Amino acid sequence: DSGVTQTPKHLITATGQRVTLRCSPRSGDLSVYWYQQSLDQGLQFLIQYYNGEERAKGNILERFSAQQFPDLHSELNLSSLELGDSALYFCASSVGLAASYEQYFGPGTRLTVT
Amino acid sequence: TQLLEQSPQFLSIQEGENLTVYCNSSSVFSSLQWYRQEPGEGPVLLVTVVTGGEVKKLKRLTFQFGDARKDSSLHITAAQPGDTGLYLCAGDVNAGGTSYGKLTFGQGTILTVHP
Repeated sequence: DSGVTQTPKHLITATGQRVTLRCSPRSGDLSVYWYQQSLDQGLQFLIQYYNGEERAKGNILERFSAQQFPDLHSELNLSSLELGDSALYFCASSVGLAASYEQYFGPGTRLTVT
Repeated sequence: TQLLEQSPQFLSIQEGENLTVYCNSSSVFSSLQWYRQEPGEGPVLLVTVVTGGEVKKLKRLTFQFGDARKDSSLHITAAQPGDTGLYLCAGDVNAGGTSYGKLTFGQGTILTVHP
């Protein structure tokens, strides 16, 4: 158990819909990261928040957005869903800002868009 | 464009054999990490290497960072069925000298160790 929790574990929805994925970081960790994992693209970095502020951005689509709240939990919002958005979405947390800090991954949310 | 190339993509071996997984790039990394992921779970960090030429050992696993900090290898001695999983390398490019948390992952190596 990494100490990072993600809900829901599974999500099945239709194209065009909007979903929200939730992440609670490990106690004491200020950084939260979101990743997307698919068979063809592998594990892709989406975005990083540190203490409530966006600090790094990867290949995140404009249809996707995220935020980190004062209690440090984070949400990833996916809208106008397409079939290609079906993937595993991981949240990770670390104590610091830099990539050299160990990132602890949650169990993931499996999103299926039908 | 994939910044990190891992090879091989698949590896199927018998218990007791040795193996090496490679992670190569044309970019210089300020640090490189190796993760292991099991089905239905998130990746778990195995090691972080930061110095060119660095070698780290974790029981039967040996990790090496290239002198130029562009490549790395993971060597497993006497593999066991419990080593089965997806092995991922991930690099921190540290673009512009700002070391934020962006990691670039390789495509992964799926290792299967048969009893």
